Amino acid sequence: DARVTQTPRHKVTEMGQEVTMRCQPILGHNTVFWYRQTMMQGLELLAYFRNRAPLDDSGMPKDRFSAEMPDATLATLKIQPSEPRDSAVYFCASGHPTRDTQYFGPGTRLTVL
Amino acid sequence: AQSVAQPEDQVNVAEGNPLTVKCTYSVSGNPYLFWYVQYPNRGLQFLLKYITGDNLVKGSYGFEAEFNKSQTSFHLKKPSALVSDSALYFCAVRDDSGTYKYIFGTGTRLKVLA
Repeated sequence: DARVTQTPRHKVTEMGQEVTMRCQPILGHNTVFWYRQTMMQGLELLAYFRNRAPLDDSGMPKDRFSAEMPDATLATLKIQPSEPRDSAVYFCASGHPTRDTQYFGPGTRLTVL
Repeated sequence: AQSVAQPEDQVNVAEGNPLTVKCTYSVSGNPYLFWYVQYPNRGLQFLLKYITGDNLVKGSYGFEAEFNKSQTSFHLKKPSALVSDSALYFCAVRDDSGTYKYIFGTGTRLKVLA
């Protein structure tokens, strides 16, 4: 049963530190999405890749967030420097356009103190 | 611009009773509509989708959704609720600009009472 995997599952860090979250999409999926979920804002799309190319990162704070896909099996979301307001659950999802369904990973729960 | 609205933050229903979770949408072209469920400390799971065809869509775990074009609604339903259905439910519409992005609703928490 193919799944999206995310590491780490939990991360506690101090303000100002760099945070890197990793995602392994389902093999064969060519679209990858990063979402952030908070109680106040709900589910927000941060970035979207197709065939490893970033198509839309308009939801991402550009000054501190960056998202990349070094290869087809790895997507990364980096925050530098982190701030307490970045505390949230970050989800990665992958999909294939012809199937029109996104598959979500279990999320990374980030706490910035 | 596309949007979805889930007017209820929470829905309570007794076990065994039918349930409905509401969703309305706004799109400029043909709607591509989805329901996802999120259990505690888990990612979202796909339940069902409407792309075209029959207005009643059947999905996972006994859920179904009714597409109503005139009312621009896509309500999620189940004939008989289970306590294990208690979760957070999200309606989503696919962006029709060709990017395959989803626009998610704010979510509705379903609580099924024993």
